[in-house]
Amino acid sequence: EVQLVESGGGLVQPGRSLKLSCAASGFTFSNYYMAWVRQAPKKGLEWVATISTSGSRTYYPDSVKGRFTISRDNAKSSLYLQMNSLKSEDTATYYCARSGGTYYYPFDYWGQGVMVTVSS
Amino acid sequence: DIVLTQSPTTLSVTPGETVSLSCRASHSIGTNLHWYQQKTNESPRLLIKYASQSISGIPSRFSASGSGTDFTLNINNVEFDDVSSYFCQQTQSWPRTFGAGTKLELK
Repeated sequence: EVQLVESGGGLVQPGRSLKLSCAASGFTFSNYYMAWVRQAPKKGLEWVATISTSGSRTYYPDSVKGRFTISRDNAKSSLYLQMNSLKSEDTATYYCARSGGTYYYPFDYWGQGVMVTVSS
Repeated sequence: DIVLTQSPTTLSVTPGETVSLSCRASHSIGTNLHWYQQKTNESPRLLIKYASQSISGIPSRFSASGSGTDFTLNINNVEFDDVSSYFCQQTQSWPRTFGAGTKLELK
């Protein structure tokens, strides 16, 4: 059974940093692109970052580029999101999601999500 | 960026009805369009991939069609369990984008 379990969320002040983790199990982690998707309270879904199978390629929207860094450790079947210079608009539930081994694949499994609140 | 416009924003239906949800893309995306269901306080779930391909474990009353810029998700014989928000997403290009969602309510 595919499982994705996020951790590391919490309350953080604007301008500070936070690192999210996602522990994966039930599949060969190194064969899949992985991603982070967020959802602000009562809002829709926003893609945050994607990383290739080896970690050599990463992709971000302009809203987080230069502030967020996605990374992975295939030996530990773990995905990470380093978030720096946090803003109030980064407040959201952050989901870890599995993508496929191909460029166009959707997000076929999602974690339960972790809440990040950016506030003074 | 590719903008996905979903309509209607909210849909109120009677159990047993058949409904259609629309997703329109600002540029052609082929069939790189996927549908997700999200129930209240739950994570999203992949419903349909590549515009019309079914997903294992998803009830057969969910179907979808489309290509290019116009896409449709159909739900036959709507059940109480279908009360959710439905989002479309494109993987044709970066950044990956989602539609704003359609909220399905029951009368």
